[in-house]
Amino acid sequence: KAGVTQTPRYLIKTRGQQVTLSCSPISGHRSVSWYQQTPGQGLQFLFEYFSETQRNKGNFPGRFSGRQFSNSRSEMNVSTLELGDSALYLCASSLGSYSPNTEAFFGQGTRLTVV
Amino acid sequence: KNQVEQSPQSLIILEGKNCTLQCNYTVSPFSNLRWYKQDTGRGPVSLTIMTFSENTKSNGRYTATLDADTKQSSLHITASQLSDSASYICVVSASGRFGSPAGNKLTFGGGTRVLVKP
Repeated sequence: KAGVTQTPRYLIKTRGQQVTLSCSPISGHRSVSWYQQTPGQGLQFLFEYFSETQRNKGNFPGRFSGRQFSNSRSEMNVSTLELGDSALYLCASSLGSYSPNTEAFFGQGTRLTVV
Repeated sequence: KNQVEQSPQSLIILEGKNCTLQCNYTVSPFSNLRWYKQDTGRGPVSLTIMTFSENTKSNGRYTATLDADTKQSSLHITASQLSDSASYICVVSASGRFGSPAGNKLTFGGGTRVLVKP
């Protein structure tokens, strides 16, 4: 069973540009969550999508947006990039059920560098 | 405000020795607590997940404990190996309405960086 796949693995962008990251969840998983990881702030929740709808949202500015397609694949978009957006962006997939034991599986991440 | 605090921030241990990592949380209402292992530059991998009614869970040489009364958890690594060198992250999930988990809106600890030396 294939794991969570994130593409691309590495990205270098300049300030002011926009970027789109992709996440393909494990087959059968309907929930995809996105996280930003930086050395200073650690892991922070961005948002979660379930069945093409945003179900939860963290405290990030509107420059960060996402969407989910009918096949559960998800994309995250960051517009008007800032130097502080340089981070490892992780996505996690899960069945999305309300069981407390629902496991979340992480992808390898996309390392974004803004110069 | 939901918070998860981990200690120590980092530690160095000799191969073959044991160590214990701590996690204190103030997330409420509590749904579950997870420990993840993250190698540098890679995604976290789940080690254990515990709900309110569980107070210990093992995964090979990793044993997690949970005290829901004091809101504390620990992760014990037995007979450490060089491959245990990684960051260990404590993650707590809050319950949403009617006891359902609040989606995947998790609260992460800052992690403990473990270095195992030969």
